[in-house]
Amino acid sequence: EAQLLESGGGLVQPGGSLRLSCAASGFTFSSNAMSWVRQAPGKGLEWVSAISGSGSSTYYADSVKGRFTISRANSKNTLYLQMNSLRAEDTAVYYCAKDSGYVRAEYFQHWGQGTLVTVSS
Amino acid sequence: EIVLTQSPGTLSLSPGERATLSCRASQSVSSSYLAWYQQKPGQAPRLLIYGASSRATDIPDRFSGSGSGTDFTLTISRLEPEDFAVYYCQQYGTSPLTFGGGTKVESK
Repeated sequence: EAQLLESGGGLVQPGGSLRLSCAASGFTFSSNAMSWVRQAPGKGLEWVSAISGSGSSTYYADSVKGRFTISRANSKNTLYLQMNSLRAEDTAVYYCAKDSGYVRAEYFQHWGQGTLVTVSS
Repeated sequence: EIVLTQSPGTLSLSPGERATLSCRASQSVSSSYLAWYQQKPGQAPRLLIYGASSRATDIPDRFSGSGSGTDFTLTISRLEPEDFAVYYCQQYGTSPLTFGGGTKVESK
């Protein structure tokens, strides 16, 4: 069964940077698109970014475009999210999710347990 | 972007009762690309339904999805104690992917 384990969350000041990682196992990592989905404290779910199975195509929500960069290392079964110019409104639990599709984000078959990012001075 | 509106915000029911959750889209969801997730406190979401009506792996048949166009429904035929949770709908037919605000199913 697919397993996803996020890491890299923590406390960062506004304007700072953070890099999240997601280690995948239990499936052929390169066969699926992958996404990041976040959830602000007490709020609903928000899709953040996705990347195709090959890594050649990336997609972003308008709220993070130009500040966040998604990437993947298929040789290491690892997904990344580089977050720059962080704002208070980026505070959330960030989930790594295995997409049903290969080229683009569709629905999310498996989710990690999440990593908390707190942006505060 | 497609806005998904879920209703009601909270549903208070007893175990054994039927739950009917609604998800309405601001525009038609292409090819019924609509999914439903369950989330319990402190846990990640879990996929229940995709393609509006297909159950995900290992999901009990008391969960069913229906609808097309702009109106979708998740039905739980007989609530079990473990079904009390928050439920989200999500559309994946049009970029960007969007989620509804959620419906909390609580024990009466």
